[in-house]
Amino acid sequence: AQSVTQLDSQVPVFEEAPVELRCNYSSSVSVYLFWYVQYPNQGLQLLLKYLSGSTLVESINGFEAEFNKSQTSFHLRKPSVHISDTAEYFCAVIPLDTGRRALTFGSGTRLQVQP
Amino acid sequence: DAGVIQSPRHEVTEMGQEVTLRCKPISGHNSLFWYRQTMMRGLELLIYFNNNVPIDDSGMPEDRFSAKMPNASFSTLKIQPSEPRDSAVYFCASSRENMNTEAFFGQGTRLTVV
Repeated sequence: AQSVTQLDSQVPVFEEAPVELRCNYSSSVSVYLFWYVQYPNQGLQLLLKYLSGSTLVESINGFEAEFNKSQTSFHLRKPSVHISDTAEYFCAVIPLDTGRRALTFGSGTRLQVQP
Repeated sequence: DAGVIQSPRHEVTEMGQEVTLRCKPISGHNSLFWYRQTMMRGLELLIYFNNNVPIDDSGMPEDRFSAKMPNASFSTLKIQPSEPRDSAVYFCASSRENMNTEAFFGQGTRLTVV
C-alpha cells in the first residue's frame, strides 16, 4: 500500500516571497508522483508530475518539484508567489507495476498568499 | 471536450432519502474514479472502474453506497439511505488507459444531508 504525508496543513506567505510545500511518500514499490491544485469551489487540476528521467519537473506557471528517492520526497517550490496562487495543493502517487491506476492523495496544504 | 461533467453541483437532502450523483467522463477515457472529500478525511477513493468494470471498491464506506457504470460515457454513485455523515464533496475523475496520464476531475457535487 502507499501513503502520502503533507506535514503542513496551511502555509501563509507574503506575495513575491518563495514557498516550499512538503510531500513525503511511503511505498513498497516505485511510484509516479503528482501535484494537483484545487482552487476554491473547483475540482482538482494537475500542476506537474514526475514519471521518469530528470528529477526536477516544472509547471507552466513557475512551480517546480524535485523527486528525491533517498528521502522519498517530492517537495513543491516556487521562488516568488502571486495572490492568484492561493489554493489547496495535493501531492499524490500511483504505484508502478501493479496495474492500479487510482491516485492516493495526501491531506493537502492550503497556501494562503497575502498582499 | 467539455471535461468531466458532474451533476448536480449541489444537493441538499433529508436523512433517509436516496441520493444519486452522476458523472460523464471525457470521451475516450476508459478509467473512471469516484472520490469523496471531507475536512476530516481529505480525499478518499471510493471506487474506480476500468473499461466499465469495477476494479477496486474497497473504499466504498458501506452497503448504503453503490456505483454503476452501464456504459463508457456514464456513471452513477447512489447513497440509500443517506445520513448526515455522508455530507461531503464527491468528485468524479477520468483518465486514459496508461498510468502515466493525468486524471481529469469534474467540478464535484457538494452533498448536504440534513
